[in-house]
Parts: sequence; structure tokens; C-alpha cells
Amino acid sequence: DQQVKQNSPSLSVQEGRISILNCDYTNSMFDYFLWYKKYPAEGPTFLISISSIKDKNEDGRFTVFLNKSAKHLSLHIVPSQPGDSAVYFCAASATGGTSYGKLTFGQGTILTVHP
Amino acid sequence: DTAVSQTPKYLVTQMGNDKSIKCEQNLGHDTMYWYKQDSKKFLKIMFSYNNKELIINETVPNRFSPKSPDKAHLNLHINSLELGDSAVYFCASSHSAPLAGEQYFGPGTRLTVT
Repeated sequence: DQQVKQNSPSLSVQEGRISILNCDYTNSMFDYFLWYKKYPAEGPTFLISISSIKDKNEDGRFTVFLNKSAKHLSLHIVPSQPGDSAVYFCAASATGGTSYGKLTFGQGTILTVHP
Repeated sequence: DTAVSQTPKYLVTQMGNDKSIKCEQNLGHDTMYWYKQDSKKFLKIMFSYNNKELIINETVPNRFSPKSPDKAHLNLHINSLELGDSAVYFCASSHSAPLAGEQYFGPGTRLTVT
């Protein structure tokens, strides 16, 4: 029933190194994917997205890769900074009709970047 | 100048009570959402309104009733609160498609039912 899965509850990385967060999905109707970042006591903040017509989208230090055949996406953060320490949520959407805004979230991965 | 605001931030109440959570956005968005984050940390959509019209209504007990007086506000009223309603509730807003996935979230309301 869990259509979006983030199998790593936590990830610890040294400052300056690469952080790779992974996400798998099962629903083949999903065609739009997003990553959100969440700090404690705040709401999630949109980070980056990718449409299924692409396999890569880059924004500064953040790059999202999509492998449709494997139903897998990943978020790369290079270089990682201590301020990146947060919970990262993967989300997916099927863009047909009125379900466009209906996001299905993974359970999140806690990223800790050590100075 | 908060983009999406929710009140209250914390809500502690007893089983059987009725409570409301208010949400307001000043981003000019025409779509608003309510999400529930349960104890396992999953964020699940409950409702979505577009220009005051209900467009997404997930399998939510009918004790939960959203109300949108205008497109800048989406309130959530909960009747006969149960222990299982304890969670963090997030309000969000976005433009309509094709940008509806990029949602702006409020800070959340932590509801504790005792």
C-alpha cells in the first residue's frame, strides 16, 4: 500500500562530501516527482522536482535523477553543508486530471551533515 | 509576512471534543490542502480545495470537515475527537496545475487528544 518508499531512515555525511538520498515508487501512473526538505517544528519546503520526460534535473548543489524502468529516484547534494541537515521527503504525483496536486510522500530520510 | 500560517500551533484536548484549525495563505494561490503526519511520520493528504471547491477528498472520517470561506483560507473542523486523531496537521497551498505539485506548507499544528 506504501507507494513511495524511502528505505533509509537516516544518512550521515561529512561536510563537503556528497549526500545521496534514495526513493522508490510502485505506482506506474506517477509521472512527476519532488523532493521536500523539513526542519524541526517547520513545514516541508519544496526543493526540486523532475518530470518523467526527463532523467535528470539540476539546481545548484541539488540534482535529482530519475530511473523510470527501475521506478527509482535519487537526490544528490554536492557539496553537503551542515545547514543541509534536515529530513528529506520524496513525493510523487500523477498529473492527470484533478489529481495533479495529490502528492504521495515517502516516510522521509534524516540527513545529518557533520562539520 | 508569513506565507502560509496555521493557528493554533499546539492543541491539546480531550476525547469527544470538537476543535478547529485555521489556515491562511497570502501567496495568491488558488489551491489549498490539508495533510496529516502520523506517528510513523508519513505525510498523507486529506483534502484539497481549488477556488473554494473541494477537488480531493481522501478516505477521511466524516468527523473531519474542511471549510473554505475564500481561496486564501482553508479551515479544518474535527468533531468528536478520538485518540487516533493525534498527529501533526499541515496546511499547504499551491498554484493550479501545472505547478500544483510545488506546495508551500504551513508550520503545522500538533494535535494531542487525551
